[in-house]
Amino acid sequence: DTAVSQTPKYLVTQMGNDKSIKCEQNLGHDTMYWYKQDSKKFLKIMFSYNNKELIINETVPNRFSPKSPDKAHLNLHINSLELGDSAVYFCASSRQGRNYGYTFGSGTRLTVV
Amino acid sequence: QQQVKQSPQSLIVQKGGISIINCAYENTAFDYFPWYQQFPGKGPALLIAIRPDVSEKKEGRFTISFNKSAKQFSLHIMDSQPGDSATYFCAASGYNNDMRFGAGTRLTVKP
Repeated sequence: DTAVSQTPKYLVTQMGNDKSIKCEQNLGHDTMYWYKQDSKKFLKIMFSYNNKELIINETVPNRFSPKSPDKAHLNLHINSLELGDSAVYFCASSRQGRNYGYTFGSGTRLTVV
Repeated sequence: QQQVKQSPQSLIVQKGGISIINCAYENTAFDYFPWYQQFPGKGPALLIAIRPDVSEKKEGRFTISFNKSAKQFSLHIMDSQPGDSATYFCAASGYNNDMRFGAGTRLTVKP
């Protein structure tokens, strides 16, 4: 039973399209995150939500919009996709508060052509 | 800017050897320092973590050493095995529990 699941695992799309990535966690965690991992493996936080409320919004183009319908789900919608958006996107979750490790999903590899 | 600096970028160790990865941070508000292990095609997985009130934490073959005054911490993998070959990330978090990651170290353990 997967703790943090993302769909789809692979996404190939053309420039200018709009796409969404879905994330669900069954750990009962209150906080969820989106991270972007570039081709050099660097992990950069994009957003975090706590109980459906946006907590962190790093310097991310406003073409990226997270949506949290409930605390178990955090989706990422991307408008007008660009070549530079190609990366692996990871969803993660953690318990609320400080000093808690994250549980990551297995990632969505987005390729924009 | 990168808030956690990690070295080396890549590391090759013989089976049975010791792998050492180092990290440094600047933000004194950080108070939780985990290490994550990532295999190809998978998400990072929490390996071991330390809080700044202790200088060392050991779990099996994995040990974190922490130097609060120097703002440095390191991961030691004893008796390294080929199955340990992966990318390792150090990280740090503070008040909001937002995790800042190092750039990663690609470890290869040769049989």
